[in-house]
Amino acid sequence: DAKTTQPPSMDCAEGRAANLPCNHSTISGNEYVYWYRQIHSQGPQYIIHGLKNNETNEMASLIITEDRKSSTLILPHATLRDTAVYYCIVRLNRDDKIIFGKGTRLHILP
Amino acid sequence: DAMVIQNPRYQVTQFGKPVTLSCSQTLNHNVMYWYQQKSSQAPKLLFHYYDKDFNNEADTPDNFQSRRPNTSFCFLDIRSPGLGDAAMYLCATNLWDRGQETQYFGPGTRLLVL
Repeated sequence: DAKTTQPPSMDCAEGRAANLPCNHSTISGNEYVYWYRQIHSQGPQYIIHGLKNNETNEMASLIITEDRKSSTLILPHATLRDTAVYYCIVRLNRDDKIIFGKGTRLHILP
Repeated sequence: DAMVIQNPRYQVTQFGKPVTLSCSQTLNHNVMYWYQQKSSQAPKLLFHYYDKDFNNEADTPDNFQSRRPNTSFCFLDIRSPGLGDAAMYLCATNLWDRGQETQYFGPGTRLLVL
């Protein structure tokens, strides 16, 4: 079973920051938080991952709370192409399976 | 360049007629995964290979089998497809990125069962 909880859907205006929350209250100390997204009819795409510290890459930022029980994925300037289902996943290490939860369907509004 | 290639992108088969989906990867990685994704649902892991070691998920039906003849190729065999097996089938391998391996997915094969 997925170890994460996400809202089923969210809306965001084009050009604004999209903030997608994820709860992972049972995460253990050595488990990473991963984010993937899946655009319609495509395979899931890796976005970012983190352990304790906040992370930023060319696609997004990941903010992890100090107690690590929740995190937020931030798309700083959402575009229509960011419309997708976003999955938050908890994973132990490179040999650990990825178990997808239900994800958040993000709608970017023009 | 595509790192995980799935062929065909669309496959039509008949109820009960065996079908094989193929996946290849150019990363030379030792792990490969097969997922099933039904409409409006999240991908569900069917099984994965670590080298030649096959790891089946507990709830994967016996109707689904897999072969991995070499590092680059992996096949998903559905012995007797039912209407409920119509889905997108996703293949993935791992990719090393900033100190952690992440899964890299192919585009998927959409299977239609008539």
